[in-house]
Amino acid sequence: GAVVSQHPSRVICKSGTSVKIECRSLDFQATTMFWYRQFPKKSLMLMATSNEGSKATYEQGVEKDKFLINHASLTLSTLTVTSAHPEDSSFYICSARDAYRGFRSNEQFFGPGTRLTVL
Amino acid sequence: KQEVTQIPAALSVPEGENLVLNCSFTDSAIYNLQWFRQDPGKGLTSLLLIQSSQREQTSGRLNASLDKSSGRSTLYIAASQPGDSATYLCAVNGQNFVFGPGTRLSVLP
Repeated sequence: GAVVSQHPSRVICKSGTSVKIECRSLDFQATTMFWYRQFPKKSLMLMATSNEGSKATYEQGVEKDKFLINHASLTLSTLTVTSAHPEDSSFYICSARDAYRGFRSNEQFFGPGTRLTVL
Repeated sequence: KQEVTQIPAALSVPEGENLVLNCSFTDSAIYNLQWFRQDPGKGLTSLLLIQSSQREQTSGRLNASLDKSSGRSTLYIAASQPGDSATYLCAVNGQNFVFGPGTRLSVLP
């Protein structure tokens, strides 16, 4: 149980285009999802916290107009990188907190990641 | 603000050795601590989760300990194998989920 999927796993796009990444909790409901970014040979940095039915909370330094997050249902959150540029190339990982099992322990379950390359 | 560090940054050992990876954190107000493995270009594989009330967790050749009061956790890998080569990340779950920078492990055959 507690499986999180991401789609696509890899995407290459031209500079100036927008890219949408989906994060799904497959066998549980997730009231809260998290989006992380990882630069090469660096650790994961939290970008934003996404709560179902409300606006996302962005970490300091993350442009909310650049990285649009939508959490429309208890099993789906999307991250849209708008007008992508080469410096947005990175590995993006989402995680989800089980609404029933995780709220006491704050345990998060991670997706496999999406590698974005902007040419 | 929670800060997580890991020592060493990189480690290279011959196959069969037992080894210890260290993780330190500054704020002891945590729910749990989790150890992950990450292969190059891949996502995270959860290895062990230790709740704040626990002292250690074991899974196969892996043993993780937690000393919340001193802000430390260790991951012990017994009888290392080349397949254990990866980056090992610890993450502290408190106000937010904060990752350490990782330890890159190479196990040489």
